[in-house]
Amino acid sequence: GAGVSQSPSNKVTEKGKDVELRCDPISGHTALYWYRQSLGQGLEFLIYFQGNSAPDKSGLPSDRFSAERTGGSVSTLTIQRTQQEDSAVYLCASSLMVVGNQPQHFGDGTRLSIL
Amino acid sequence: AQSVTQPDIHITVSEGASLELRCNYSYGATPYLFWYVQSPGQGLQLLLKYFSGDTLVQGIKGFEAEFKRSQSSFNLRKPSVHWSDAAEYFCAVEAGGGNKLTFGTGTQLKVEL
Repeated sequence: GAGVSQSPSNKVTEKGKDVELRCDPISGHTALYWYRQSLGQGLEFLIYFQGNSAPDKSGLPSDRFSAERTGGSVSTLTIQRTQQEDSAVYLCASSLMVVGNQPQHFGDGTRLSIL
Repeated sequence: AQSVTQPDIHITVSEGASLELRCNYSYGATPYLFWYVQSPGQGLQLLLKYFSGDTLVQGIKGFEAEFKRSQSSFNLRKPSVHWSDAAEYFCAVEAGGGNKLTFGTGTQLKVEL
């Protein structure tokens, strides 16, 4: 597709379960980012990947959060042992490269609800 | 660390009226600056960006923004608002490398017909 694709669009799960969120970036974009949007914290950076370089994980809130990017394309954000405070919209973005003058293009997000 | 302030949480304007959304940033040098718009249930759409050069930048949907270094501001403007502009608007900065965006808390725009 032409844009960033995220799945699922909505996810409801019970506290303590693990969840996986998927992001398919725009073709040809080497940089991929994850952000979290929550009522209490606004939009927060989580992690980014640039090509084959080590990812910048500086925004991950705890060790329950991890992400990987396979083959330089699709990325999966995993949250283990989910807590209610993990409820948020998780947004993925991609850009041509990790350079400040390359605008990021966002997907529609995954709305995660922890019961 | 850089920060972004959007002082107006909610703004209501009448259709056809002009609009200005405020954004102030805190950073030692000139950052890269962005405005995004988010409609309900959707992701963020880039309206415009400032990197360098002309301080008045034009974006999509008739929006423009002016970078004022002396005021550390990057306010978004539109001369005549349309009902379809009702959405949430986010100002963002990238500073310090890595293309990590720091967002403001957003301004919710309501348009009265």
